[in-house]
Amino acid sequence: DAKTTQPPSMDCAEGRAANLPCNHSTISGNEYVYWYRQIHSQGPQYIIHGLKNNETNEMASLIITEDRKSSTLILPHATLRDTAVYYCIVRDDTGANSKLTFGKGITLSVRP
Amino acid sequence: GAVVSQHPSRVICKSGTSVKIECRSLDFQATTMFWYRQFPKKSLMLMATSNEGSKATYEQGVEKDKFLINHASLTLSTLTVTSAHPEDSSFYICSASLTAIGEQYFGPGTRLTVT
Repeated sequence: DAKTTQPPSMDCAEGRAANLPCNHSTISGNEYVYWYRQIHSQGPQYIIHGLKNNETNEMASLIITEDRKSSTLILPHATLRDTAVYYCIVRDDTGANSKLTFGKGITLSVRP
Repeated sequence: GAVVSQHPSRVICKSGTSVKIECRSLDFQATTMFWYRQFPKKSLMLMATSNEGSKATYEQGVEKDKFLINHASLTLSTLTVTSAHPEDSSFYICSASLTAIGEQYFGPGTRLTVT
């Protein structure tokens, strides 16, 4: 079972920041927070991951709360092509064959 | 970035026949490959994990004799759906990883329709 909970959907205006929340209250010390997204009828695309520090790359920023029980993915300037299902996943990167367990994700709709 | 391909992208077959789906890592050697299945409006479900040169590890509820996985090289894994039935119609997605715990790179998926 997925160890994360996300709202089912949200929308935002093109050009504005999209802030996607994720709760992972049972996360353990070895588990990283990963974000992937899936555009309709395509394979998932890696976005970003982190352990406890905030992370930023060319796609997004990941803000993890100090207690690590929740996080927020920020797309700073959403475009129509960012419309997708976004999956927040926790994974133990120290174990053998670390699986990605996908939950239902959050459907982001970017409106013109 | 790392590129993973799948072939075919779309396949239609008749009930009772077998279908083979290929997953290739194009620019890196994948020690571990994963196979997922996704039904319409549902999330991805892991079917099995395969390490190069070893037998695949199947998730609970996935029939290993029905979904044959071969990972004979570091760049190729195949999933064969044997004696396919309409309920096997789904979107099959593979991912590849440099190591067992490394980042997974996903293929574009294969849409299987069994008539």
